[in-house]
Amino acid sequence: NAGVTQTPKFRILKIGQSMTLQCTQDMNHNYMYWYRQDPGMGLKLIYYSVGAGITDKGEVPNGYNVSRSTTEDFPLRLELAAPSQTSVYFCASSYAREGPGSYEQYFGPGTRLTVT
Amino acid sequence: QQPVQSPQAVILREGEDAVINCSSSKALYSVHWYRQKHGEAPVFLMILLKGGEQKGHEKISASFNEKKQQSSLYLTASQLSYSGTYFCGPEDFGNEKLTFGTGTRLTIIP
Repeated sequence: NAGVTQTPKFRILKIGQSMTLQCTQDMNHNYMYWYRQDPGMGLKLIYYSVGAGITDKGEVPNGYNVSRSTTEDFPLRLELAAPSQTSVYFCASSYAREGPGSYEQYFGPGTRLTVT
Repeated sequence: QQPVQSPQAVILREGEDAVINCSSSKALYSVHWYRQKHGEAPVFLMILLKGGEQKGHEKISASFNEKKQQSSLYLTASQLSYSGTYFCGPEDFGNEKLTFGTGTRLTIIP
């Protein structure tokens, strides 16, 4: 299994441009997440999904959009990029637990995005 | 509100012990712990569930005080490979998501 894969690894955007960060997992996990991590800081949840066709906002959703048409894929769309979106973006996935609580999250290698 | 971890940073000599604390303002169902090495993705260490069930690996242990909404991670006889930033991820009731803590940077020196 490849686990969680993300593309691209690095990207430089100009202010106002748009792009899609790709995330794919091959573990048949139904939960998927997008986080951003600013330099020297912790992880902030952008969006998450509990299954195909279902998405919900996290702590910092402004400026981003997501879709989940399949179990495997969870792309993150940046519209009108701003310097404040310069960050490392991590995608993660996990199994759903029967009942409350969740299983461990598996993270992709990250996408380092710079907006200038 | 972001969970608070303490200390923010700690430097240890190889073989010494460390405790990392995590405090949340919410009633918790579980607490996850992850370690992130510089330039890499976070990696799962352990889950502590309400009621005492614990899942994890490596020679690292943890505790979960549900009433105080706190968790502590214990690293004994630290090894060089333990260096990195440790994040707690408390999970409150009814949510399928974690709110990660502020992080604790651990440096192990020979």
